[in-house]
Amino acid sequence: DTAVSQTPKYLVTQMGNDKSIKCEQNLGHDTMYWYKQDSKKFLKIMFSYNNKELIINETVPNRFSPKSPDKAHLNLHINSLELGDSAVYFCASSQDLWQRDSYEQYFGPGTRLTVT
Amino acid sequence: AQSVAQPEDQVNVAEGNPLTVKCTYSVSGNPYLFWYVQYPNRGLQFLLKYITGDNLVKGSYGFEAEFNKSQTSFHLKKPSALVSDSALYFCAVREPNYQGSQGNLIFGKGTKLSVKP
Repeated sequence: DTAVSQTPKYLVTQMGNDKSIKCEQNLGHDTMYWYKQDSKKFLKIMFSYNNKELIINETVPNRFSPKSPDKAHLNLHINSLELGDSAVYFCASSQDLWQRDSYEQYFGPGTRLTVT
Repeated sequence: AQSVAQPEDQVNVAEGNPLTVKCTYSVSGNPYLFWYVQYPNRGLQFLLKYITGDNLVKGSYGFEAEFNKSQTSFHLKKPSALVSDSALYFCAVREPNYQGSQGNLIFGKGTKLSVKP
């Protein structure tokens, strides 16, 4: 009955490879997000996706691309991985953009990506 | 631009004592404020939020936070700390709904809470 799930939990790969991280939410939420947490625990938004509208943080390299096959899934694909991509990536979801009582976001357990 | 500051990297408290984790914010418009907790090797868990209404907000695990508009603060508090409260705590502010935003959360850098027996 996990609310927001991510796979894999750990991902170790070499520079230059392409990898994907999957995210699923069973909360019926409308909006999903990807965050990156660096080694200093700093959290930064990468993408948000609502009703087929994608908002991209302008600082995110175009090697990162989110893909949403349906409202319950938002996967993260990364091309040509670099050492600096090593971090923990969190998926999150929220119910509604417009109802103030539903503003909180619920996070997945994270995927620790290590690029060697 | 919205921003959140957590001035303390670490807070040390003895078990049974009250704890406060500080947060100040800068927003345009009404602030929507949140506290999250992250236990080691885990995702973030929602603790509480301030949207509107009473300045004192109660949340999970006995935590509460006080919204102070004049001081632009939203400090997290608990009357009696537990060793199990030891974790990383994040304050966050929600971006308003406008073009180029979908309610993204802007996080503070986090405060490590250490509760000793």
